[in-house]
Amino acid sequence: GAGVSQTPSNKVTEKGKYVELRCDPISGHTALYWYRQSLGQGPEFLIYFQGTGAADDSGLPNDRFFAVRPEGSVSTLKIQRTERGDSAVYLCASSRDRGYNEQFFGPGTRLTVL
Amino acid sequence: SQKIEQNSEALNIQEGKTATLTCNYTNYSPAYLQWYRQDPGRGPVFLLLIRENEKEKRKERLKVTFDTTLKQSLFHITASQPADSATYLCALKALRGFGNEKLTFGTGTRLTIIP
Repeated sequence: GAGVSQTPSNKVTEKGKYVELRCDPISGHTALYWYRQSLGQGPEFLIYFQGTGAADDSGLPNDRFFAVRPEGSVSTLKIQRTERGDSAVYLCASSRDRGYNEQFFGPGTRLTVL
Repeated sequence: SQKIEQNSEALNIQEGKTATLTCNYTNYSPAYLQWYRQDPGRGPVFLLLIRENEKEKRKERLKVTFDTTLKQSLFHITASQPADSATYLCALKALRGFGNEKLTFGTGTRLTIIP
C-alpha cells in the first residue's frame, strides 16, 4: 500500500515569504505528526494531530508556524514570514491511532529559505 | 535539562562483525524507547521498540537492550553487512498513557559497514 507522501519534495523561497507544506498520511491512520530535522540532528517534534484536532502543538517554535488537518487525513504545515533559520527538512509521520507506537515517516520536504 | 545522547556521530565496523550503538538519556522516565534507521534523503524507518519493563528485544539480526537504571539502550546488529550502513536514531516516548504521543529523538549515529 501507499506510504506517507509529502509535497513538494523541495521548496526554495525567499526570506519573508509564506510557504505551505503538505502531508498525505497512510489511509486510515488517525494520528499525524510533524517533525523538523536540521543537518546532523535527529527529528525535532513540532505538532501532533489526533483526527482533526491538534492534540499537542508544544513543539511549534513560534506563532509563524501553524498546521491544520481539517478532514482528519491530509495535513498542511504553514509557515509565515519565513526566516533563514527555518531552513530544514520537514518530516511528516502517521500512525494507526494513539497508542500504536510505530510511526511511519514520509520522505520529507527540504525547505531552503534564501 | 532533558537530554538524549547517542555514542558517536560515526561508527565504522568491519563486515561480519557486530555493530553496537549506544543511546543514553538523562532526566527522562521513558514509557518506551524506539530505534529507527534513516538513509540519506529519506525519512526514518521504524526498527524496534522496547518498553520500560523489558530488558531485551530481538528481531532477526537486531537486538536492543534497555537498562532503566543506567538510563541506557544498546542496539546491536550482528553479522553486519554493507547494506546496514545508515544513520540509526533512538527515540523516547516520555510520558505514559494516551494524550502525548510525541517522540524525542537523539542526534543519530552514522554507521558504515566496511566490506
